[in-house]
Amino acid sequence: GENVEQHPSTLSVQEGDSAVIKCTYSDSASNYFPWYKQELGKGPQLIIDIRSNVGEKKDQRIAVTLNKTAKHFSLHITETQPEDSAVYFCAASSSNTGNQFYFGTGTSLTVIP
Amino acid sequence: DADVTQTPRNRITKTGKRIMLECSQTKGHDRMYWYRQDPGLGLRLIYYSFDVKDINKGEISDGYSVSRQAQAKFSLSLESAIPNQTALYFCATSDIGQGIGETQYFGPGTRLLVL
Repeated sequence: GENVEQHPSTLSVQEGDSAVIKCTYSDSASNYFPWYKQELGKGPQLIIDIRSNVGEKKDQRIAVTLNKTAKHFSLHITETQPEDSAVYFCAASSSNTGNQFYFGTGTSLTVIP
Repeated sequence: DADVTQTPRNRITKTGKRIMLECSQTKGHDRMYWYRQDPGLGLRLIYYSFDVKDINKGEISDGYSVSRQAQAKFSLSLESAIPNQTALYFCATSDIGQGIGETQYFGPGTRLLVL
C-alpha cells in the first residue's frame, strides 16, 4: 500500500516568518493530496488540497506544491500568525485503492508571537 | 465540523468490555470512514463504507467491527476492549467525487481510554 512520510515532526517559527512542511509518497498512482489542520480538541479540517493534474495551488497565505516525478508535495504558510499553531497532516489517495487516505504522521507547528 | 457528530466524546472502559462508538452525519454523503489516531502515528483507517450495503476493512481492522445502519449512521464496535485500543477515534465522510479526489470531512473525535 501507500506510504506517506512527513517532515519535520515539530516546527517553531517566529510570527511573520514562513513555514514549510514536506511529505513524500510511494505509490505513483496517488493522485489526490489534501492537507489537514488539527487544533487541540478538534477533528482535522481540510485547509488546501491539490490534484495530480496541477503543480501548485494557492489560497491566500497557504500554498501547496506537487512534484509527481519526485513523489513529494509541500505545504507553505507565509506570514505566519499565532492562530496557525496546530498539528498539520498531509495525506495521499488514489482511485486505484478506493480513494483511501494514507496520512503522514503530522507536524506540530508553533508560531511564536 | 457540526455536520459530522460523534458520541460519546469521551469514554473510559475496562478491559474486556464491549464498546460502541457512534457517528452521524447530515452532509448527505454516501461514504463514511473510521480512523484511529495515536501520538506520532497520524491517522490510520480502521473501516470504511461506500454505501449502506458496502463495508470494507482498512489498514488496522483487527479487534474492531462496524455497522452501517443508514446512510447517515456508521458505528464502530470494540467487541472486547484491550488497553492498546486506547486512542482518539475519528469518523469522516466524503461524497462521490467529480474527477480526482474526494474531500473527507471529520467529526470532533471520541477519546477512548481502556483500563
